[in-house]
Amino acid sequence: EAGVAQSPRYKIIEKRQSVAFWCNPISGHATLYWYQQILGQGPKLLIQFQNNGVVDDSQLPKDRFSAERLKGVDSTLKIQPAKLEDSAVYLCASSLAGDVDTQYFGPGTRLTVL
Amino acid sequence: AQRVTQPEKLLSVFKGAPVELKCNYSYSGSPELFWYVQYSRQRLQLLLRHISRESIKGFTADLNKGETSFHLKKPFAQEEDSAMYYCALIHTSGTYKYIFGTGTRLKVLA
Repeated sequence: EAGVAQSPRYKIIEKRQSVAFWCNPISGHATLYWYQQILGQGPKLLIQFQNNGVVDDSQLPKDRFSAERLKGVDSTLKIQPAKLEDSAVYLCASSLAGDVDTQYFGPGTRLTVL
Repeated sequence: AQRVTQPEKLLSVFKGAPVELKCNYSYSGSPELFWYVQYSRQRLQLLLRHISRESIKGFTADLNKGETSFHLKKPFAQEEDSAMYYCALIHTSGTYKYIFGTGTRLKVLA
């Protein structure tokens, strides 16, 4: 079974630039999550989708972050403009609908903002 | 506020020694607690959940509601246990979502 795919794996940008991350969940997984993991901290949920609808985006900094899952499969997370404090690993995870307990994580995208 | 605390950033033990990774939580209501593990160059993955009361790779964890703890234990550490371990709880008020601790790096020395 193919796992959660993410790209790019690494990204270096300067502050005030824009960046986008892509995630392809496990086939059949209706629920998709984006997490931010800052160095030395645990993952923090940014946004959760159920199919193409947003379930929870309470911790998403909406002034600069946006995410979409238009067809209920792939998802993109965008940061515009980036700040130094956005340097982190961005993890995508997916799960079967209603099975929040069992999330499958992607390899993550390591973002460095200079 | 809901919170998961892992007081140790790094824990080093010798091979064959017992291991205990500490986790304390703050949560109003009945928590659901989990341990996740990330081996070097691998993805974050679920290790065990308290409701299953199972032993995975020799690890066990018991929920102690009186002490609000969910420590991860293994009687005899192996070198392949070296990894980053995260304790997490499911926040069940409103949207179900994970709240993770800051993680403990376990190093098992030969």
